Amino acid sequence: GQQLNQSPQSMFIQEGEDVSMNCTSSSIFNTWLWYKQDPGEGPVLLIALYKAGELTSNGRLTAQFGITRKDSFLNISASIPSDVGIYFCAGQLYSNYQLIWGAGTKLIIKP
Amino acid sequence: ETGVTQTPRHLVMGMTNKKSLKCEQHLGHNAMYWYKQSAKKPLELMFVYNFKEQTENNSVPSRFSPECPNSSHLFLHLHTLQPEDSALYLCASSHTGQGGDQELFFGSGTQLSVL
Repeated sequence: GQQLNQSPQSMFIQEGEDVSMNCTSSSIFNTWLWYKQDPGEGPVLLIALYKAGELTSNGRLTAQFGITRKDSFLNISASIPSDVGIYFCAGQLYSNYQLIWGAGTKLIIKP
Repeated sequence: ETGVTQTPRHLVMGMTNKKSLKCEQHLGHNAMYWYKQSAKKPLELMFVYNFKEQTENNSVPSRFSPECPNSSHLFLHLHTLQPEDSALYLCASSHTGQGGDQELFFGSGTQLSVL
């Protein structure tokens, strides 16, 4: 089946550092969605992207829809302890509108 | 209550038991979903209901049986499960399940352990 490659799988960072993660695929997407999942909770939508090249911010979070429509990245600036969690990308395929998920990036902040 | 509510939060069951997971959404959405989440894997779509009609069954074994009595409620009936079915089961809803609307709102999930 279709796959999204999300990287890195995990990140260990210091508080205050910037974070970057991305999702890539060989397929073309209509929509990119970025979710965050806290322990014991379901994923929560952070940012939705609908156009190639689109750059959208939500507070300290910035995400971009790649110009080739095959990738997306999420940046977090000046990380704080509550940023800890698992971040998922999801892309809606251009071909059949199916929503494909990445395996997640686990963000851990070193004390 | 607001959002998507799932019960129970935790469930331990034997392989011969029958149990049901419940999901309720208070968002006025018309589409509801069941996903399976295993550690370090992408979310696996199981079932989709759009306006109470099942529009997708993603090759899920028959020991999982969904039920959608109305647009606000979704159940997942479980029977004779296997240990490999242990996972977090997430319910989600969206405005509709068609075309471009894929912004999903998730419940907190049911953590299922099959012994």
